[in-house]
Amino acid sequence: GAVVSQHPSWVICKSGTSVKIECRSLDFQATTMFWYRQFPKQSLMLMATSNEGSKATYEQGVEKDKFLINHASLTLSTLTVTSAHPEDSSFYICRGQGGSQETQYFGPGTRLLVL
Amino acid sequence: AQKVTQAQTEISVVEKEDVTLDCVYETRDTTYYLFWYKQPPSGELVFLIRRNSFDEQNEISGRYSWNFQKSTSSFNFTITASQVVDSAVYFCALSNSGTYKYIFGTGTRLKVLA
Repeated sequence: GAVVSQHPSWVICKSGTSVKIECRSLDFQATTMFWYRQFPKQSLMLMATSNEGSKATYEQGVEKDKFLINHASLTLSTLTVTSAHPEDSSFYICRGQGGSQETQYFGPGTRLLVL
Repeated sequence: AQKVTQAQTEISVVEKEDVTLDCVYETRDTTYYLFWYKQPPSGELVFLIRRNSFDEQNEISGRYSWNFQKSTSSFNFTITASQVVDSAVYFCALSNSGTYKYIFGTGTRLKVLA
């Protein structure tokens, strides 16, 4: 079946550095990519929605200059956490959506730890 | 406004017991979709079921069953004869037919004790 992969699955970085997370749809075209953040013991919070070839739409309270989202192709979207700080430590999950309710899949997630 | 409420924060049961996880939703849309996902300790979300607003038939899949009742805006999930491997956080989610955005509930942490 369709799979969405994320890379890396784990990343530890120093405060102030930037981290890029890749989300790839492996056998379907993800026209829309949703990016979520999940803090420990909390629910998933939508950060932004991106359509292929367009600028991402960010949810209220999410800094667009800090969380850069690129969705340049139908199979790849990236989330870059710029100048990461310890409070950005979280579990980041993408969800690829291919134009129907039946065609949408979550990635396995990326755990980010900022020291 | 759309909202999903999972009032049960944490449930503990003994293996082989049945357990029901509650989900109540709010939406003004006539066409919408409801989902259940399982999130084991690994973190990866596991899709369990999708149900559209026009299909109120209950569904059974092995030890899992779902009860969708539009009259009470509920979409409850029952695990029969629970097993330790069922221990996870379970999320209920709502999506409308237009944006495909999910509104997640706060999740219910299920602990099945041996």
